[in-house]
Amino acid sequence: NAGVTQTPKFRVLKTGQSMTLLCAQDMNHEYMYWYRQDPGMGLRLIHYSVGEGTTAKGEVPDGYNVSRLKKQNFLLGLESAAPSQTSVYFCASSDRGRANYGYTFGSGTRLTVV
Amino acid sequence: SQKIEQNSEALNIQEGKTATLTCNYTNYSPAYLQWYRQDPGRGPVFLLLIRENEKEKRKERLKVTFDTTLKQSLFHITASQPADSATYLCALGRFNNAGNMLTFGGGTRLMVKP
Repeated sequence: NAGVTQTPKFRVLKTGQSMTLLCAQDMNHEYMYWYRQDPGMGLRLIHYSVGEGTTAKGEVPDGYNVSRLKKQNFLLGLESAAPSQTSVYFCASSDRGRANYGYTFGSGTRLTVV
Repeated sequence: SQKIEQNSEALNIQEGKTATLTCNYTNYSPAYLQWYRQDPGRGPVFLLLIRENEKEKRKERLKVTFDTTLKQSLFHITASQPADSATYLCALGRFNNAGNMLTFGGGTRLMVKP
């Protein structure tokens, strides 16, 4: 199994440009999450989803939107990129009620906004 | 607000010794605590979970303790090897209808020297 796949792996954007990060999981997990990781800040939750067609805000949702039209996919959108959104973005998934197995993370997308 | 603290300074130890990493938290009552390993350029990988009613959990060379009175978890790697060099993240979690929600610490980098 591939687990959690994130595309693209790297991207450079100009301020004001838009883009979509794609996350796909093949484990039939109910829950999916988007985090950003910055030096000294740890992983911070942007948005999450508890099932197909549902999304909710996390700790740092401003400037981002998400969609989960299919159970296996969770998209993160930046409508108008800002330098403060330069970060490494991680998608994760987990199974309902199975915390013993933890989160499965993708390998990340390194985004630079200039 | 809730706060999770891990030593931001790298821990350097000699091969064969026991590495001990600390995770302290405040303003939080987690139902469980997880530890993850993260290698450079990769996403975190789940290692262990310990629940609030458990004092200790072991897995091969790993041992985790959880003291809800001290609000602290200790993560031990016995007989450490250079391959154990990585950043280790602790994450606090609780069950609710929004999923298995985790809040992550900033991580501690472990360097095991041969």
